[in-house]
Amino acid sequence: SAVISQKPSRDICQRGTSLTIQCQVDSQVTMMFWYRQQPGQSLTLIATANQGSEATYESGFVIDKFPISRPNLTFSTLTVSNMSPEDSSIYLCSVGQVGAGELFFGEGSRLTVL
Amino acid sequence: AQSVTQLDSHVSVSEGTPVLLRCNYSSSYSPSLFWYVQHPNKGLQLLLKYTSAATLVKGINGFEAEFKKSETSFHLTKPSAHMSDAAEYFCAVSGGGADGLTFGKGTHLIIQP
Repeated sequence: SAVISQKPSRDICQRGTSLTIQCQVDSQVTMMFWYRQQPGQSLTLIATANQGSEATYESGFVIDKFPISRPNLTFSTLTVSNMSPEDSSIYLCSVGQVGAGELFFGEGSRLTVL
Repeated sequence: AQSVTQLDSHVSVSEGTPVLLRCNYSSSYSPSLFWYVQHPNKGLQLLLKYTSAATLVKGINGFEAEFKKSETSFHLTKPSAHMSDAAEYFCAVSGGGADGLTFGKGTHLIIQP
């Protein structure tokens, strides 16, 4: 398994601002993903963070709103841009190795937008 | 495309009694299936996984699940519930390759003393 650290663990933000969430892994991983978990809901995949290239976004999520970087095999960032109260969620970084199947998750970043 | 359906949004059992959390899947491929647990204000922890080996899979904390292809099911069981098992449980499916997991809506497990 991998140890995944996310920062910040929680934040309260004002409408219209942007917040960048960091995900640091203690080992090199081939796959990194960002998920959103809205209050009381399941997890929805936002995008696959591809090392050295643009992220691959799921339907309903766009790069302008959720820009993602992945400069190397152990680190990624997700930015939530121009936030509104509807963006209040837990954002989770997850990692895995191709062929292994399972993903491991960070503790999440709990975002509240006022 | 793949999907999972968790048949119960809430399950309530008494401490010491068996637990059954139900999950059905749909997949165009030979799926890999997973159960995760999420305790309040925590991330997801992997309980167990099925990846086309033994159909009865044992996980952590006394949980196990059985893959039944004929029923497209992957139900999670535990013989005797403990108060610490109270949490949200998610079933997930992978189509393989480099795709992420698709999660069910979750089952909230309540343990009555």
